[in-house]
Amino acid sequence: DAKTTQPPSMDCAEGRAANLPCNHSTISGNEYVYWYRQIHSQGPQYIIHGLKNNETNEMASLIITEDRKSSTLILPHATLRDTAVYYCIVRVAYNTDKLIFGTGTRLQVFP
Amino acid sequence: DAGVTQSPTHLIKTRGQQVTLRCSPKSGHDTVSWYQQALGQGPQFIFQYYEEEERQRGNFPDRFSGHQFPNYSSELNVNALLLGDSALYLCASSFERGRGETQYFGPGTRLLVL
Repeated sequence: DAKTTQPPSMDCAEGRAANLPCNHSTISGNEYVYWYRQIHSQGPQYIIHGLKNNETNEMASLIITEDRKSSTLILPHATLRDTAVYYCIVRVAYNTDKLIFGTGTRLQVFP
Repeated sequence: DAGVTQSPTHLIKTRGQQVTLRCSPKSGHDTVSWYQQALGQGPQFIFQYYEEEERQRGNFPDRFSGHQFPNYSSELNVNALLLGDSALYLCASSFERGRGETQYFGPGTRLLVL
């Protein structure tokens, strides 16, 4: 079973920041938080991952709470092309173990 | 840099038939994982191949089998197809022997069983 809980859907206006929450209250000390997204009928796309520090790359920022029980993926300026299902996954990093997907959050960006 | 590629993109089969799906990993990757994604669901792990051996397996019957070749490419075989095998089949590759353990996905093969 997935170890994360996400809202089933969210809306965001184009150009605004999209903040996608994820709860992972049972995360272990050696587990990282990974985010993927899946645009309709395509393969999942890796976005970002982190352990406990905030992370940023060209796609998004990841904010992890100090107790590591929840995190937020931030798309700073959402575009229509960011409409997708976003999956939050916890797993041991530096390890090629399987990914366990939940049902994700369906983000709809509107004009 | 070529990403993960899969073939064919779409496939239609009838119940009882057999199917083979193919995957070429991202350049430099040596580990291939296969996932099944039913409509409206998240991907479900089928199995993973490393050094031409099946290393991990999810909760899928023996009708699902695979193979990895010396060039790290992989095949997924499904025998005695059922209607419920209709799904998007995803291949993901990663690099076992380095820090690049992130799995990168291909575009998938959409299988329809009639």
